[in-house]
Amino acid sequence: GQQLNQSPQSMFIQEGEDVSMNCTSSSIFNTWLWYKQDPGEGPVLLIALYKAGELTSNGRLTAQFGITRKDSFLNISASIPSDVGIYFCAGPQISSGSARQLTFGSGTQLTVLP
Amino acid sequence: SQTIHQWPATLVQPVGSPLSLECTVEGTSNPNLYWYRQAAGRGLQLLFYSVGIGQISSEVPQNLSASRPQDRQFILSSKKLLLSDSGFYLCASIPGGPTDTQYFGPGTRLTVL
Repeated sequence: GQQLNQSPQSMFIQEGEDVSMNCTSSSIFNTWLWYKQDPGEGPVLLIALYKAGELTSNGRLTAQFGITRKDSFLNISASIPSDVGIYFCAGPQISSGSARQLTFGSGTQLTVLP
Repeated sequence: SQTIHQWPATLVQPVGSPLSLECTVEGTSNPNLYWYRQAAGRGLQLLFYSVGIGQISSEVPQNLSASRPQDRQFILSSKKLLLSDSGFYLCASIPGGPTDTQYFGPGTRLTVL
């Protein structure tokens, strides 16, 4: 089945620094989704990408859909304490048909130090 | 836009007791519904999914079962809980229509003692 390799697994950064994380796959994805999960809560969708090469911003967040359709990255600029959490990439499994299952990366745990 | 409710928010149960977690969805019809378990705050394990009323698919063999008695209601159950059933349970929904974007509920924290 399709797998997503997400890196890094964890990051410790100083407040104000920029952050970059990425996901890669050996399979092609038609959609890339980026979620953030705060401690004790459900993941919240940050950005959805639907077209190869697409670059989308949401405030201080920017995500890109790789040209090869096998990778995506998420950047956070000027990090703040509330950016702390786990960030997941995800993409729909092409073979799942009407089930529309998502494949998830293993997550990037972000810690922002004051 | 749709809203996903999960009940209860937290639950502490003894080993061997039954379980019923409920998920309800508002703001859409004919959603695809999913149950995930998350251990230790990392990784989402898909347990069950449903494409319609009464239609349940299981992804992993386990001590749990799921049911979908109504279009926007998804229930996770167990007859006898095990210690290994502890975790954070998330319900998710893909709204009806041409989309693959999945949205999550707030989760239920289950501790089995």
